[in-house]
Amino acid sequence: GAVVSQHPSWVICKSGTSVKIECRSLDFQATTMFWYRQFPKQSLMLMATSNEGSKATYEQGVEKDKFLINHASLTLSTLTVTSAHPEDSSFYICSARPNRGGRVTDTQYFGPGTRLTVL
Amino acid sequence: QKEVEQDPGPLSVPEGAIVSLNCTYSNSAFQYFMWYRQYSRKGPELLMYTYSSGNKEDGRFTAQVDKSSKYISLFIRDSQPSDSATYLCAMFASGSRLTFGEGTQLTVNP
Repeated sequence: GAVVSQHPSWVICKSGTSVKIECRSLDFQATTMFWYRQFPKQSLMLMATSNEGSKATYEQGVEKDKFLINHASLTLSTLTVTSAHPEDSSFYICSARPNRGGRVTDTQYFGPGTRLTVL
Repeated sequence: QKEVEQDPGPLSVPEGAIVSLNCTYSNSAFQYFMWYRQYSRKGPELLMYTYSSGNKEDGRFTAQVDKSSKYISLFIRDSQPSDSATYLCAMFASGSRLTFGEGTQLTVNP
């Protein structure tokens, strides 16, 4: 149980284009999902907290107009990198907190990550 | 000073060795403690999850939490080459964000 998927796993795009990454909880519902960014040999950096049915909360220094987050259902959150540039190339990872018994639990389960390369 | 300190390694051990991974933290409000394993180019996988002080065992893995010392450990017994990965400690207080350590890169040599 507690499986999180991401799609695509790897994407290459041209500078200036937009890329959408999907994060799905496959066997549980999640009111709260998270988006992280990870550079090589570094730990995860939280970008934003995504809440179903409401606006995402962005961390300081993360441009909300550049990284659009939509959490339209209890099993799906999307991250759209708009007008991507080479400096946006990174490993993007989502995580989800399962809802159990009507409340949000404390554990986070991570997706496999999406490697974005912007040319 | 970082809230969570973790030696990044790299740590290299022979197959069969007992591995000890550790993190220290400064925020006494942290109540939930986790260890994640991350293989190269993959997302973190939850290994152990403990609440407050004490020990928890799962197969070859044992997690220890000492809140009085603000110190957590993960022990891996009979280490295998497949255990080679980066191990991340993570912790949080109820209602707050997850705070990660830097991760320790472990290599188990056959």
